[in-house]
Amino acid sequence: DAGVTQSPTHLIKTRGQQVTLRCSPKSGHDTVSWYQQALGQGPQFIFQYYEEEERQRGNFPDRFSGHQFPNYSSELNVNALLLGDSALYLCASSPPPGLAAFDEQFFGPGTRLTVL
Amino acid sequence: AQRVTQPEKLLSVFKGAPVELKCNYSYSGSPELFWYVQYSRQRLQLLLRHISRESIKGFTADLNKGETSFHLKKPFAQEEDSAMYYCALLPGRSEKLVFGKGTKLTVNP
Repeated sequence: DAGVTQSPTHLIKTRGQQVTLRCSPKSGHDTVSWYQQALGQGPQFIFQYYEEEERQRGNFPDRFSGHQFPNYSSELNVNALLLGDSALYLCASSPPPGLAAFDEQFFGPGTRLTVL
Repeated sequence: AQRVTQPEKLLSVFKGAPVELKCNYSYSGSPELFWYVQYSRQRLQLLLRHISRESIKGFTADLNKGETSFHLKKPFAQEEDSAMYYCALLPGRSEKLVFGKGTKLTVNP
């Protein structure tokens, strides 16, 4: 099991463009969370997907949207990119409730987004 | 509001010395607290959770509700402990992890 995988590894965009980041959860996990980690900061929760629906959302504008597919993989979309969106975007997956360590989130390596 | 504070951005100790990474939280309910670690060129991973009261790699952390703290301790630091450490809070009935800004620990030989 490769664990949580994310693509692409790096991405460079210009202001105003749109971007899509992808995440495949760890085998057996059905919940995917997305985090933004700016330089020198801890990860900040964007939103979480479960059963193909957004279950929780952090303090991020509507420019940030997502999707979860039937195979539990997920996408993060950011529209109208701003310079301040430059960050490492982390995806984390967790197993269904009721299983051991259901509260543990397993993180992917991240996608480094640079907005010029 | 839920908040996690890690007052030290950088912490440097010598091998064999005790180490304590501080974490304070702000949450009105009953929290679940975690320490996550990121070694160089590796992904963020769970180190320990307060609910299991376990010792991982010699590290322990005790939840002090009176002081709203969850400090991470190790009696004898090793060079391989050098990493970025994040304290995180999981508010009740939520899966929205709230992270501190992290402490970079360097253990010198």
